[in-house]
Amino acid sequence: TQLLEQSPQFLSIQEGENLTVYCNSSSVFSSLQWYRQEPGEGPVLLVTVVTGGEVKKLKRLTFQFGDARKDSSLHITAAQPGDTGLYLCAGAYYNQGGKLIFGQGTELSVKP
Amino acid sequence: GAGVSQSPRYKVAKRGQDVALRCDPISGHVSLFWYQQALGQGPEFLTYFQNEAQLDKSGLPSDRFFAERPEGSVSTLKIQRTQQEDSAVYLCASSLALAGGEQYFGPGTRLTVT
Repeated sequence: TQLLEQSPQFLSIQEGENLTVYCNSSSVFSSLQWYRQEPGEGPVLLVTVVTGGEVKKLKRLTFQFGDARKDSSLHITAAQPGDTGLYLCAGAYYNQGGKLIFGQGTELSVKP
Repeated sequence: GAGVSQSPRYKVAKRGQDVALRCDPISGHVSLFWYQQALGQGPEFLTYFQNEAQLDKSGLPSDRFFAERPEGSVSTLKIQRTQQEDSAVYLCASSLALAGGEQYFGPGTRLTVT
């Protein structure tokens, strides 16, 4: 059974601070996706990483994929109240038909 | 439509009732997934279709759960004899790819069993 550990589970910070969310697995991902979810809505895809060591940037968000493709991180620079939400990492594994295994999520609150 | 739609958005059922949840995927998307999300948790996989074929139903929690996609487009998730532990948000996602592609989620159906 593949397990995907995401940390921290909760994060409350002040506007302007930086933060990092981690996602780890004991198995190799074929790809990994990061989503953001707001209350009452479905997850919205932020980025997909596929290649070991890959780094992708989306404005103030930086996503890294570990060299061994077993871990990933999301770093937010100068967080803003609009960044508040639930951040989810989700991994796809080889020979699993594309189903995603999600982490527990990180509930981020950015206070003005 | 432009995105994945789900209906109803909210459903309240009495314990023992049957419910049917509908998913309209993005037009042309081959793959369709159902996930269950408990409060404060990440989604958990239930089942997966490629066109009309149900290729993986390993995540369905019991034989009370049944999903279909008869024409390879719209899908229905049916729960028979609902129990309180079935209360959750049920999310549908679709993907253009046969496997491993990016998934786009609908808004979900919040099911409350009383």
